[in-house]
Amino acid sequence: ETGVTQTPRHLVMGMTNKKSLKCEQHLGHNAMYWYKQSAKKPLELMFVYNFKEQTENNSVPSRFSPECPNSSHLFLHLHTLQPEDSALYLCASRLGAENTGELFFGEGSRLTVL
Amino acid sequence: GENVEQHPSTLSVQEGDSAVIKCTYSDSASNYFPWYKQELGKRPQLIIDIRSNVGEKKDQRIAVTLNKTAKHFSLHITETQPEDSAVYFCAAYSGAGSYQLTFGKGTKLSVIP
Repeated sequence: ETGVTQTPRHLVMGMTNKKSLKCEQHLGHNAMYWYKQSAKKPLELMFVYNFKEQTENNSVPSRFSPECPNSSHLFLHLHTLQPEDSALYLCASRLGAENTGELFFGEGSRLTVL
Repeated sequence: GENVEQHPSTLSVQEGDSAVIKCTYSDSASNYFPWYKQELGKRPQLIIDIRSNVGEKKDQRIAVTLNKTAKHFSLHITETQPEDSAVYFCAAYSGAGSYQLTFGKGTKLSVIP
C-alpha cells in the first residue's frame, strides 16, 4: 500500500461510452501524474499536475480529459475511445519541487475498449 | 523534452551472477536519475536513485553509476536471486523547471535458479 488509490481497478467500455478513472493520494503530495502502460510503450507520460495546475500535456488526444480539483484527487475522463487505448493507466504522486523526487504509483486501472 | 534509451530489453542470468542495465539520456540539464522495479501484476516501485553530483551509489546488492559527460547511467545487481526477476525501468527528469519524468522502455530481467 503506497497511499495512492485508483478506482476502478478494471473497466470495460464500448467506443461510444463515457467513463472516468479516479486517483486519490493520502500522502500530502503536491504533484500528480497519469501514465499509460502498454506493451508498445511501457510507461508513457500523459499529464502532470502540480498543486492542481496542469504542467505537462504530452500531446494526448482530446478523448482523454484530465481533471484535478485539488492536490489529493486526479481524474481521467474518457470518451469516444479507440481499441488501441486499451492499456493499464497508472496514477502517481510525489512531493517536492520540479526536477527531482520519487514517484509513488497506484495499482493502476486496467482499461479494455471494445 | 527528455529522451531516455534503455538496453537491453531482455536479460537472462544465472542465479548468483551479476546483471547490468544501461541507459542514456538527452537533456544535459537533467540531474536526478531513478530506477524502478515492476514485478508482474504490480506497480512500479523505486529501488535506487542518483543525483548528478554523485558518480556512484550503492544499496546492498544494487548499485547505480552515472557519467554526466557521456549522459549515461547504469544499474548493477550483484549476486542475483530469483526474486530479482522483474521489469526494470530507468528514468530521468527533463531539465530545470520540469515535472516531467521520462522512462526508458524497460528491461525484463529473468534470474534462472
